[in-house]
Amino acid sequence: DAKTTQPPSMDCAEGRAANLPCNHSTISGNEYVYWYRQIHSQGPQYIIHGLKNNETNEMASLIITEDRKSSTLILPHATLRDTAVYYCIVSQMVTGGGNKLTFGTGTQLKVEL
Amino acid sequence: DAGVTQSPTHLIKTRGQQVTLRCSPKSGHDTVSWYQQALGQGPQFIFQYYEEEERQRGNFPDRFSGHQFPNYSSELNVNALLLGDSALYLCASSLLNLWGQDNQETQYFGPGTRLLVL
Repeated sequence: DAKTTQPPSMDCAEGRAANLPCNHSTISGNEYVYWYRQIHSQGPQYIIHGLKNNETNEMASLIITEDRKSSTLILPHATLRDTAVYYCIVSQMVTGGGNKLTFGTGTQLKVEL
Repeated sequence: DAGVTQSPTHLIKTRGQQVTLRCSPKSGHDTVSWYQQALGQGPQFIFQYYEEEERQRGNFPDRFSGHQFPNYSSELNVNALLLGDSALYLCASSLLNLWGQDNQETQYFGPGTRLLVL
């Protein structure tokens, strides 16, 4: 499995951009980078995923380096409700189609006033 | 659009007992994956079901088994419960992608079932 490395914790002021880094130096050419977040023992919430191009949706932006060995999740205007554990995952293909998710320990993001 | 639902929300069992957890996938989804999340850890993949068959399995003993029904809902069964089975059990659903080049299937998670084994 391609492994990911994330800082264990980060702080961000409310209203500022939160930039969450992730290293995935062993990622394979056909593996995607997924981001999920989990708010205090709720089910993980899907945020965004990408292969090599930068992606943006209503929740966040995903910036993937050209060599694909690292990526950054950007929450453009963090609010208190964005306080959560953020997981960066390299999606592994499942035999017969589909993919499974291998979670690490993630980054605890704390958004403060 | 109904999201992923799981039942029950909480459950208390004693060692040696058996438990069944249930999951209804998001509307339109046909694939169900199960994860176990111990306290303070990230979720760990148990197995995935598609077309009523187990498609992939993680590193879990045979005490963990599952089933998928024709309506795509799924059950997770755990036999001979151990104290270490206490965890949040998460179900995720997705739609099989047979036509896309990337074969990616975004998984959407339910709220989980909190199991406590005494």
